[in-house]
Amino acid sequence: EAQVTQNPRYLITVTGKKLTVTCSQNMNHEYMSWYRQDPGLGLRQIYYSMNVEVTDKGDVPEGYKVSRKEKRNFPLILESPSPNQTSLYFCASSKGQGRVQPQHFGDGTRLSIL
Amino acid sequence: SQQGEEDPQALSIQEGENATMNCSYKTSINNLQWYRQNSGRGLVHLILIRSNEREKHSGRLRVTLDTSKKSSSLLITASRAADTASYFCATDGGKLIFGQGTELSVKP
Repeated sequence: EAQVTQNPRYLITVTGKKLTVTCSQNMNHEYMSWYRQDPGLGLRQIYYSMNVEVTDKGDVPEGYKVSRKEKRNFPLILESPSPNQTSLYFCASSKGQGRVQPQHFGDGTRLSIL
Repeated sequence: SQQGEEDPQALSIQEGENATMNCSYKTSINNLQWYRQNSGRGLVHLILIRSNEREKHSGRLRVTLDTSKKSSSLLITASRAADTASYFCATDGGKLIFGQGTELSVKP
């Protein structure tokens, strides 16, 4: 089954404790991206990747890191999480350039930073 | 600055009725996409309409695009309780930007 898999689905942690949210897709998609969803602000893109070893900042990249060492994986790293990063996070993938193609989303990761 | 803005923010209808949601945007676009999000789940792509298209159908969904008015509408005909979800437009004007969504509630 074609899917985007995120882990963990839920995480409560404390300020400053490094964490990684994994994202994996099995559709051989070139484009992958991370979004955060906050009430009243909608979905905002954090980082995206056009292909292996190619990443770029989205609209709200501060406090986040990503890497794209393999085509299927695109982990989101919070080196020193802070309470304002409490949010619902989504990973998405698509063919080709991404923005002109339908996006396939994971089921989300709800992060709470205390 | 936000590109797509949906209207209304919330919509409540009875099963069998039609639901219409609108999306307005500010700058020129290459395409516009509509997505559905069920509570607690990721977004699911519904339909993509290109800037040179005016109308597109998919099952009970009908999407229109008016580039002169910079607006799009999503019509769901003969709604069902299972259509209860949030619906988002996403505009591609060089980058993909999502609106804040319309919450649709379909009562049985």
